[in-house]
Amino acid sequence: DADVTQTPRNRITKTGKRIMLECSQTKGHDRMYWYRQDPGLGLRLIYYSFDVKDINKGEISDGYSVSRQAQAKFSLSLESAIPNQTALYFCATRGAGQSGELFFGEGSRLTVL
Amino acid sequence: EDKVVQSPLSLVVHEGDTVTLNCSYEVTNFRSLLWYKQEKKAPTFLFMLTSSGIEKKSGRLSSILDKKELSSILNITATQTGDSAIYLCAVGTTSGTYKYIFGTGTRLKVLA
Repeated sequence: DADVTQTPRNRITKTGKRIMLECSQTKGHDRMYWYRQDPGLGLRLIYYSFDVKDINKGEISDGYSVSRQAQAKFSLSLESAIPNQTALYFCATRGAGQSGELFFGEGSRLTVL
Repeated sequence: EDKVVQSPLSLVVHEGDTVTLNCSYEVTNFRSLLWYKQEKKAPTFLFMLTSSGIEKKSGRLSSILDKKELSSILNITATQTGDSAIYLCAVGTTSGTYKYIFGTGTRLKVLA
């Protein structure tokens, strides 16, 4: 099983619908992140969390919300999806310390019609 | 504003060629620079460079951090078709809280 698991892997939805992307990890990491990837724009940070009581906005948080239900679970919600939220979404984790690699999930491809 | 720029944006080479990918950054409180390879979906980790570890090598891949020039290069020698991927550079910074800023990536295609 993957260390960082995202569900769903693919989702097609309509404008205005509420969508939740879920992420769970078995690495025991405190730090969890949500990124979106668009062609030509690289990965952009949506939200990040350093523990269950610590949630921080990233550079593109508008239109998104998150929930850190437990150390191992971090969910991203789109309350009312719009077409420009069509993207590939990645969850990532990192261990404690000043530096260290990010471990990525397999990604969730979301299409908003 | 913190910024990470990768060049070139895309590159097409033939098997056996050597390629050099560039990553330059303007960030406050630099902590680390990471290279990732992205083939289908999830980026996979290649190297992490810090002030105490400015050069890394693994097989045909190597990377150097130039803190004076605020940049890094990723070299791939004797390229193979399996090297075709997007290569991402990310810089760790503690401006505010610790976070990573990604470049837009370099898309490499290796032709047989």
